[in-house]
Amino acid sequence: EVQLVESGGGLVQPGGSLRLSCAASGFTFSDHYMDWVRQAPGKGLEWVGRTRNKANSYTTEYAASVKGRFTISRDDSKNSLYLQMNSLKTEDTAVYYCARVGRYDIDYWGQGTLVTVSS
Amino acid sequence: DIVMTQTPLSLSVTPGQPASISCKSSQSLLHSDGKTYLYWYLQKPGQPPQLLIYEVSNRFSGVPDRFSGSGSGTDFTLKISRVEAEDVGVYYCMQSIQLPPGPTFGQGTKLEIK
Repeated sequence: EVQLVESGGGLVQPGGSLRLSCAASGFTFSDHYMDWVRQAPGKGLEWVGRTRNKANSYTTEYAASVKGRFTISRDDSKNSLYLQMNSLKTEDTAVYYCARVGRYDIDYWGQGTLVTVSS
Repeated sequence: DIVMTQTPLSLSVTPGQPASISCKSSQSLLHSDGKTYLYWYLQKPGQPPQLLIYEVSNRFSGVPDRFSGSGSGTDFTLKISRVEAEDVGVYYCMQSIQLPPGPTFGQGTKLEIK
């Protein structure tokens, strides 16, 4: 069974930093691209970014709204995905989901972790 | 970026009756590889989204056959043949034909039971 468990969310002041983690199990993590997707309170879904696998040089892509501030990384030895968030803004307040990219694009999602950016 | 527009934004359906959601994209989602990169997700209350339909019309593993997807190019439809109580939630369409800039989602359609 595919399991994705996010952690690291919390309250942070504007301009601050936070690092989210996602622990993966139930599949061969190293084979897969992985995404972060966020959802502001009461709003829709917004794709944040993607990391490709080793075979594709771990290259990353980001949404324009976070490019230059957020960094996605992974540790295949720990089956873990990370999202380093810097220069946080109030509009970054959201539930952040870790998601697996399978044969048919985003196929499994974690339960999410809430990030609140507020003074 | 490709804009995804869903209609209606909400619908209330009697159990056992059909439901239909439209999703229109600002650009064609037909790729040169022959695939159309249009997906449907359901986010049940308090849960993360779950994949229902991939590449327009293919049901994901475990998805009941009362769910079906159709369409081509820029116009797509999700149909539920007979709505059940467990189908409540918000339905999202998503496109992923271009990366960058990356996948984009429709605004969501909230389905409730009458």
